[in-house]
Amino acid sequence: EPEVTQTPSHQVTQMGQEVILRCVPISNHLYFYWYRQILGQKVEFLVSFYNNEISEKSEIFDDQFSVERPDGSNFTLKIRSTKLEDSAMYFCASTQNLFGYTFGSGTRLTVV
Amino acid sequence: GESVGLHLPTLSVQEGDNSIINCAYSNSASDYFIWYKQESGKGPQFIIDIRSNMDKRQGQRVTVLLNKTVKHLSLQIAATQPGDSAVYFCAERDRIQGAQKLVFGQGTRLTINP
Repeated sequence: EPEVTQTPSHQVTQMGQEVILRCVPISNHLYFYWYRQILGQKVEFLVSFYNNEISEKSEIFDDQFSVERPDGSNFTLKIRSTKLEDSAMYFCASTQNLFGYTFGSGTRLTVV
Repeated sequence: GESVGLHLPTLSVQEGDNSIINCAYSNSASDYFIWYKQESGKGPQFIIDIRSNMDKRQGQRVTVLLNKTVKHLSLQIAATQPGDSAVYFCAERDRIQGAQKLVFGQGTRLTINP
């Protein structure tokens, strides 16, 4: 069964450093998303991406965040200057037709 | 506003029994719902979905019921097994707004007792 692949599985970074979280969505999917989940809490929407542009973003997705789809397969989330409160699981998701959204296994980001 | 919530944060059932996990949503514009299972350290795993033009959908050992009148969604798991222990989230999609993102509820932790 096709999967959404995320790398790395765990990233530790110092406060103020930039991080890039990588995702390879399912190949024929058209809509891409980033979500985050702080430990013990619900999954929160960050940003959606369609047709090579951001279609919606949440209040969490401030100027420190950016997304790119640099080629036909990768979808990245960049945090420019990490803060302690950015520590969370980050999930990438994709869907072909706005049904059956598939999530990756996540990247655990720890900011120290 | 957007809000998907769970009635109970934890649920324990005996192995072999049936379990019911409930979810309330507040956005009447939501037209599609998904139940996800999340095991520790993993991403949400799709279990079953239902569109708003249906009130019941069945899968293998799972049934989702949708009551649009009271904005209530439930997940029934039949003959529970130890592998069913996980956190279960309902998620709704608002078709009207933006990129049709999913909004998640708080989650219910289901524990299957041997």
